[in-house]
Amino acid sequence: GAGVSQSPSNKVTEKGKDVELRCDPISGHTALYWYRQRLGQGLEFLIYFQGNSAPDKSGLPSDRFSAERTGESVSTLTIQRTQQEDSAVYLCASSLSGTGLNQPQHFGDGTRLSIL
Amino acid sequence: SQKIEQNSEALNIQEGKTATLTCNYTNYSPAYLQWYRQDPGRGPVFLLLIRENEKEKRKERLKVTFDTTLKQSLFHITASQPADSATYLCALTYGNNRLAFGKGNQVVVIP
Repeated sequence: GAGVSQSPSNKVTEKGKDVELRCDPISGHTALYWYRQRLGQGLEFLIYFQGNSAPDKSGLPSDRFSAERTGESVSTLTIQRTQQEDSAVYLCASSLSGTGLNQPQHFGDGTRLSIL
Repeated sequence: SQKIEQNSEALNIQEGKTATLTCNYTNYSPAYLQWYRQDPGRGPVFLLLIRENEKEKRKERLKVTFDTTLKQSLFHITASQPADSATYLCALTYGNNRLAFGKGNQVVVIP
């Protein structure tokens, strides 16, 4: 059984460019989360998808950030016009269900994003 | 404001001893509390979940306590081994669908 897969594992880009990060959740997991982890900091919630419900986007830090998920499969996080403060590790997690939060979250190993 | 506090100083402990980590929180009323392990360059890995009406949960050499009056959870690793060296994250549920994470506490087990 494959775990959560994220790609690319590392991304270096110039300030002002757009980047797209990909997450393949565990098959059958209806809930999918994106987090940002800055160096030495905790995980910062970005967005949550649950099945076909409208996503909870309340953690997205600016309108340069957006995310999509196709059904209960792949999700992409897009950052437009990247800034140096966007440099961080972006982590994706999936769980059987997000409702009630009595399920563990299964994390990928993240995409390390560096903005030059 | 809401806070989750874990010790920012690394815990250095001799192999075989019990490591105890603390997670204190303010202005949360979590129904569940979870602990995760994170190794450098890797994503967090789930270890244990404890409900608000449970006082203690055990899994192999791990033990978690949850005191909703003190607003505190303790995480214990008994008979610690060098392979237990990692950062341990406390996470609380809030709202219907979110986990809020602490910054983590590093453990170094000295052989």
